[in-house]
Amino acid sequence: DAKTTQPPSMDCAEGRAANLPCNHSTISGNEYVYWYRQIHSQGPQYIIHGLKNNETNEMASLIITEDRKSSTLILPHATLRDTAVYYCIVRVGDSNDYKLSFGAGTTVTVRA
Amino acid sequence: KAGVTQTPRYLIKTRGQQVTLSCSPISGHRSVSWYQQTPGQGLQFLFEYFSETQRNKGNFPGRFSGRQFSNSRSEMNVSTLELGDSALYLCASSLPGLAGKDEQFFGPGTRLTVL
Repeated sequence: DAKTTQPPSMDCAEGRAANLPCNHSTISGNEYVYWYRQIHSQGPQYIIHGLKNNETNEMASLIITEDRKSSTLILPHATLRDTAVYYCIVRVGDSNDYKLSFGAGTTVTVRA
Repeated sequence: KAGVTQTPRYLIKTRGQQVTLSCSPISGHRSVSWYQQTPGQGLQFLFEYFSETQRNKGNFPGRFSGRQFSNSRSEMNVSTLELGDSALYLCASSLPGLAGKDEQFFGPGTRLTVL
């Protein structure tokens, strides 16, 4: 699976949008970009995933560049409860392979 | 719909002992994966089971093993515990679907402390 690079930490003001970057320059054509987050002492939580097109759900939006070498997770209106470690993961979209390779992630702190 | 449950939530063992952790996936999910999380190594994949068969395995020694039952419940076992096995052990279940159109649902984890 392709390696991802994320900033180690970032702060965000409550109510503002949080934009979390991820670089995955070695991504191949059949690899999807997944985002998970882990709130302290809990199991990781799925947020969103995409292949080529931008995606949006009730939690966030995922913007993938045209060359697919990077992506941005957008939390439109950050709340204090969004404080967590956010992981960007790239993996082959094969339903027989459920291995997730977590990196160090980005620690996001939302401040009041 | 009930989420992934793991038992016990906390466990204290001593070096040399063995331990069994249990995971009950979301109803209807047939894939169960196990992960180990430590401050130093982060989240690392242990293995994945589907229909009672191990399909994928991470880079862990043979002391770490698992199994899955016909009802998709899974157990993992660690024998001859070492201090470095102290970690949060997470279980995740998935409903296999179209390629890429799946997500893993994680349980709350079992916090294992080895003294």
